[in-house]
Amino acid sequence: RKEVEQDPGPFNVPEGATVAFNCTYSNSASQSFFWYRQDCRKEPKLLMSVYSSGNEDGRFTAQLNRASQYISLLIRDSKLSDSATYLCVVNKIKAAGNKLTFGGGTRVLVKP
Amino acid sequence: DVKVTQSSRYLVKRTGEKVFLECVQDMDHENMFWYRQDPGLGLRLIYFSYDVKMKEKGDIPEGYSVSREKKERFSLILESASTNQTSMYLCASSSVATEEQYFGPGTRLTVT
Repeated sequence: RKEVEQDPGPFNVPEGATVAFNCTYSNSASQSFFWYRQDCRKEPKLLMSVYSSGNEDGRFTAQLNRASQYISLLIRDSKLSDSATYLCVVNKIKAAGNKLTFGGGTRVLVKP
Repeated sequence: DVKVTQSSRYLVKRTGEKVFLECVQDMDHENMFWYRQDPGLGLRLIYFSYDVKMKEKGDIPEGYSVSREKKERFSLILESASTNQTSMYLCASSSVATEEQYFGPGTRLTVT
């Protein structure tokens, strides 16, 4: 079983719609969680951290469910520019190096 | 703005050649990482370094070595390139204060 699993998609989303997707992680002791965004042929960039209480950044909402070991990302009022691959990222142990584990990514395509 | 640069965007090498991939960051980050990214497999950590001259194996170190002689520079070495090392190679850096990793633009390596 992969340490961090994501539905690869693609999720085809009409412009203006809401899309949500999850990511599951296998290590219950995982400490930190993030969503990164990767545009086609570009490098990944941090989108947002995910906190236990849930957090929102504009049209993006991230949630963490420790009991079921998943995190989610919801995008409201989707824009064409939201088309990208969203990577779920987990830090198992906060230690020297802060090694992160990346999921395979969920591809989102927003269409007019 | 954090900047992570990689020596080449595209590289074509022959089987058996020694290959050097170089990464430089300008933010005085302590941690540096080398990943490879393949379709369906996501980002996989090859090696990381949390200090000058320090290195730790990641999840897939076989066939690779690294060098960190200066804080800003982290090199990935393929001692004898093989066709299964054809991939996108991404370098990243982070500070000890935060877990966010900043990525370079990537090097697409083809081994023929």
